[in-house]
Amino acid sequence: GAVVSQHPSRVICKSGTSVKIECRSLDFQATTMFWYRQFPKQSLMLMATSNEGSKATYEQGVEKDKFLINHASLTLSTLTVTSAHPEDSSFYICSARPQGFYNSPLHFGNGTRLTVT
Amino acid sequence: DAKTTQPPSMDCAEGRAANLPCNHSTISGNEYVYWYRQIHSQGPQYIIHGLKNNETNEMASLIITEDRKSSTLILPHATLRDTAVYYCIVRVALGAGGTSYGKLTFGQGTILTVHP
Repeated sequence: GAVVSQHPSRVICKSGTSVKIECRSLDFQATTMFWYRQFPKQSLMLMATSNEGSKATYEQGVEKDKFLINHASLTLSTLTVTSAHPEDSSFYICSARPQGFYNSPLHFGNGTRLTVT
Repeated sequence: DAKTTQPPSMDCAEGRAANLPCNHSTISGNEYVYWYRQIHSQGPQYIIHGLKNNETNEMASLIITEDRKSSTLILPHATLRDTAVYYCIVRVALGAGGTSYGKLTFGQGTILTVHP
Protein backbone atom coordinates (compact mmCIF):
# COMPACT_ATOMS: atom_id res chain seq x y z
CA GLY A 1 0.00 0.00 0.00
CA ALA A 2 0.79 3.72 0.12
CA VAL A 3 2.02 4.14 -3.44
CA VAL A 4 2.94 7.51 -4.85
CA SER A 5 3.16 7.81 -8.62
CA GLN A 6 4.87 10.54 -10.59
CA HIS A 7 4.51 11.36 -14.24
CA PRO A 8 6.43 11.76 -16.44
CA SER A 9 9.57 9.99 -15.27
CA ARG A 10 11.68 11.90 -17.75
CA VAL A 11 11.08 15.06 -19.73
CA ILE A 12 13.23 17.13 -22.04
CA CYS A 13 12.05 20.61 -22.91
CA LYS A 14 13.38 23.70 -24.61
CA SER A 15 14.39 26.77 -22.71
CA GLY A 16 11.47 29.13 -22.18
CA THR A 17 8.76 26.49 -22.21
CA SER A 18 6.73 25.20 -19.25
CA VAL A 19 6.62 21.68 -17.93
CA LYS A 20 3.98 20.08 -15.71
CA ILE A 21 4.79 17.20 -13.37
CA GLU A 22 2.02 15.17 -11.77
CA CYS A 23 2.12 13.46 -8.40
CA ARG A 24 -0.64 11.02 -7.48
CA SER A 25 -1.34 9.03 -4.36
CA LEU A 26 -2.72 5.80 -5.77
CA ASP A 27 -4.27 4.08 -2.79
CA PHE A 28 -4.72 6.78 -0.20
CA GLN A 29 -5.79 10.38 0.18
CA ALA A 30 -3.32 13.08 1.07
CA THR A 31 -4.18 16.54 2.34
CA THR A 32 -0.52 17.46 2.12
CA MET A 33 2.14 16.58 -0.42
CA PHE A 34 5.76 17.69 -0.54
CA TRP A 35 7.90 18.61 -3.53
CA TYR A 36 11.66 18.13 -3.45
CA ARG A 37 14.44 18.88 -5.91
CA GLN A 38 17.75 17.08 -6.15
CA PHE A 39 20.80 18.19 -8.12
CA PRO A 40 23.51 15.66 -9.07
CA LYS A 41 25.53 14.38 -6.13
CA GLN A 42 23.47 16.42 -3.69
CA SER A 43 20.78 15.63 -1.18
CA LEU A 44 17.08 16.30 -1.54
CA MET A 45 16.03 19.88 -0.94
CA LEU A 46 12.44 20.64 0.01
CA MET A 47 10.91 23.14 -2.38
CA ALA A 48 7.34 23.46 -1.17
CA THR A 49 4.48 21.95 0.77
CA SER A 50 1.36 21.42 -1.28
CA ASN A 51 -1.97 21.71 0.55
CA GLU A 52 -5.24 20.46 -0.88
CA GLY A 53 -7.62 23.33 -1.49
CA SER A 54 -5.25 26.08 -0.45
CA LYS A 55 -2.04 27.79 -1.46
CA ALA A 56 1.26 25.98 -1.31
CA THR A 57 3.90 26.92 1.21
CA TYR A 58 7.28 27.57 -0.39
CA GLU A 59 10.68 27.19 1.23
CA GLN A 60 12.94 30.18 1.41
CA GLY A 61 14.60 30.94 -1.89
CA VAL A 62 12.09 29.04 -4.04
CA GLU A 63 10.25 31.29 -6.49
CA LYS A 64 6.54 30.65 -6.22
CA ASP A 65 5.82 32.27 -9.59
CA LYS A 66 8.29 29.98 -11.29
CA PHE A 67 7.27 26.75 -9.60
CA LEU A 68 3.49 26.69 -9.65
CA ILE A 69 1.86 24.11 -7.42
CA ASN A 70 -1.75 23.02 -7.64
CA HIS A 71 -3.28 20.50 -5.25
CA ALA A 72 -6.76 20.24 -6.66
CA SER A 73 -7.80 16.95 -5.10
CA LEU A 74 -6.82 14.64 -2.28
CA THR A 75 -4.93 12.40 -4.67
CA LEU A 76 -3.26 14.79 -7.10
CA SER A 77 -0.72 17.56 -6.85
CA THR A 78 0.99 19.15 -9.83
CA LEU A 79 4.21 21.12 -10.14
CA THR A 80 4.60 23.36 -13.16
CA VAL A 81 8.03 24.71 -13.95
CA THR A 82 7.31 27.88 -15.89
CA SER A 83 9.69 29.42 -18.42
CA ALA A 84 12.21 26.69 -17.75
CA HIS A 85 15.91 27.38 -18.12
CA PRO A 86 18.88 25.01 -18.15
CA GLU A 87 19.56 25.72 -14.48
CA ASP A 88 16.15 24.22 -13.67
CA SER A 89 17.38 20.86 -14.94
CA SER A 90 17.12 18.60 -11.94
CA PHE A 91 15.45 15.57 -10.39
CA TYR A 92 12.04 16.50 -8.95
CA ILE A 93 10.47 14.19 -6.38
CA CYS A 94 7.13 14.33 -4.62
CA SER A 95 6.02 12.64 -1.43
CA ALA A 96 2.90 12.16 0.63
CA ARG A 97 1.46 10.30 3.61
CA PRO A 98 -2.09 9.07 4.20
CA GLN A 99 -4.42 11.75 5.47
CA GLY A 100 -4.72 11.72 9.25
CA PHE A 101 -1.71 9.47 9.83
CA TYR A 102 0.52 12.26 11.03
CA ASN A 103 3.47 10.19 12.14
CA SER A 104 3.40 7.50 9.51
CA PRO A 105 6.26 7.56 7.00
CA LEU A 106 6.27 9.76 3.95
CA HIS A 107 6.10 7.80 0.72
CA PHE A 108 8.00 9.07 -2.28
CA GLY A 109 7.40 8.94 -5.97
CA ASN A 110 10.13 7.73 -8.29
CA GLY A 111 10.97 11.20 -9.40
CA THR A 112 10.96 13.16 -12.65
CA ARG A 113 14.22 13.90 -14.43
CA LEU A 114 13.87 17.30 -16.10
CA THR A 115 16.39 18.35 -18.73
CA VAL A 116 16.09 21.85 -20.18
CA THR A 117 18.01 22.42 -23.41
CA ASP B 1 13.78 19.28 14.13
CA ALA B 2 17.04 17.91 15.53
CA LYS B 3 20.07 17.72 13.29
CA THR B 4 21.70 14.39 12.45
CA THR B 5 25.29 13.41 11.69
CA GLN B 6 26.20 10.40 9.58
CA PRO B 7 29.50 9.14 8.15
CA PRO B 8 29.75 10.09 4.48
CA SER B 9 30.49 6.57 3.31
CA MET B 10 30.76 2.96 4.43
CA ASP B 11 31.61 -0.37 2.86
CA CYS B 12 30.17 -3.77 3.61
CA ALA B 13 30.78 -7.25 2.28
CA GLU B 14 27.87 -9.04 0.71
CA GLY B 15 26.15 -11.35 3.17
CA ARG B 16 27.47 -9.54 6.22
CA ALA B 17 25.53 -7.20 8.45
CA ALA B 18 25.70 -3.51 7.60
CA ASN B 19 25.58 -1.24 10.65
CA LEU B 20 24.93 2.39 9.80
CA PRO B 21 25.32 4.87 12.65
CA CYS B 22 23.54 8.15 13.15
CA ASN B 23 24.17 10.78 15.78
CA HIS B 24 21.29 12.99 16.90
CA SER B 25 22.55 14.37 20.18
CA THR B 26 20.06 17.25 20.29
CA ILE B 27 16.99 15.07 19.82
CA SER B 28 14.05 15.89 22.03
CA GLY B 29 11.58 13.55 23.65
CA ASN B 30 8.88 13.89 21.03
CA GLU B 31 11.05 13.41 17.96
CA TYR B 32 11.03 10.27 15.83
CA VAL B 33 14.03 8.80 14.04
CA TYR B 34 13.31 7.83 10.42
CA TRP B 35 15.56 5.96 8.02
CA TYR B 36 15.24 6.15 4.26
CA ARG B 37 17.46 5.05 1.44
CA GLN B 38 17.85 6.22 -2.12
CA ILE B 39 19.08 4.01 -4.87
CA HIS B 40 20.54 5.87 -7.80
CA SER B 41 17.98 7.83 -9.85
CA GLN B 42 15.03 6.68 -7.78
CA GLY B 43 12.89 8.30 -5.10
CA PRO B 44 13.73 7.65 -1.46
CA GLN B 45 12.44 4.40 0.01
CA TYR B 46 11.19 4.22 3.58
CA ILE B 47 13.03 1.65 5.71
CA ILE B 48 12.04 1.99 9.35
CA HIS B 49 11.31 4.50 12.10
CA GLY B 50 11.16 4.60 15.88
CA LEU B 51 10.67 6.84 18.87
CA LYS B 52 12.26 5.15 21.89
CA ASN B 53 12.19 1.41 21.49
CA ASN B 54 14.19 -0.71 19.11
CA GLU B 55 12.27 -1.64 16.01
CA THR B 56 12.52 -4.46 13.48
CA ASN B 57 10.78 -5.11 10.20
CA GLU B 58 11.38 -7.22 7.14
CA MET B 59 14.03 -4.85 5.85
CA ALA B 60 16.07 -3.82 8.86
CA SER B 61 16.44 -3.25 12.57
CA LEU B 62 16.70 0.10 14.30
CA ILE B 63 18.61 0.30 17.55
CA ILE B 64 18.15 3.51 19.52
CA THR B 65 20.41 4.15 22.51
CA GLU B 66 18.82 4.60 25.89
CA ASP B 67 19.59 8.34 25.93
CA ARG B 68 18.25 8.54 22.34
CA LYS B 69 21.25 10.56 21.21
CA SER B 70 22.26 8.07 18.58
CA SER B 71 20.88 5.17 16.62
CA THR B 72 22.07 2.39 14.33
CA LEU B 73 20.35 0.96 11.31
CA ILE B 74 21.18 -2.70 10.81
CA LEU B 75 20.78 -4.52 7.53
CA PRO B 76 21.29 -8.10 8.73
CA HIS B 77 22.48 -9.69 5.49
CA ALA B 78 23.53 -7.02 3.02
CA THR B 79 23.18 -7.71 -0.69
CA LEU B 80 24.53 -5.84 -3.70
CA ARG B 81 21.07 -4.30 -4.13
CA ASP B 82 21.43 -2.59 -0.76
CA THR B 83 24.04 -0.26 -2.24
CA ALA B 84 22.43 3.16 -1.81
CA VAL B 85 22.53 6.44 0.08
CA TYR B 86 21.03 5.99 3.55
CA TYR B 87 19.43 8.94 5.28
CA CYS B 88 18.77 9.27 8.99
CA ILE B 89 16.16 11.94 9.70
CA VAL B 90 14.75 13.21 12.96
CA ARG B 91 11.31 14.78 12.97
CA VAL B 92 8.98 15.95 15.69
CA ALA B 93 5.93 13.82 16.33
CA LEU B 94 2.72 15.40 15.12
CA GLY B 95 -0.61 15.57 16.79
CA ALA B 96 -3.97 16.12 15.23
CA GLY B 97 -4.56 19.79 14.59
CA GLY B 98 -0.88 20.68 14.73
CA THR B 99 0.48 23.40 12.52
CA SER B 100 3.44 21.42 11.28
CA TYR B 101 2.91 19.45 8.09
CA GLY B 102 5.46 16.81 8.94
CA LYS B 103 8.02 17.58 6.27
CA LEU B 104 11.30 15.69 6.25
CA THR B 105 14.62 17.48 5.98
CA PHE B 106 17.34 15.40 4.35
CA GLY B 107 21.02 15.64 5.24
CA GLN B 108 23.86 14.27 3.15
CA GLY B 109 23.37 10.67 4.29
CA THR B 110 25.78 7.74 4.15
CA ILE B 111 26.76 6.15 0.88
CA LEU B 112 26.76 2.43 1.58
CA THR B 113 28.61 0.29 -0.92
CA VAL B 114 28.09 -3.46 -0.68
CA HIS B 115 30.82 -5.38 -2.48
CA PRO B 116 31.04 -9.04 -3.46
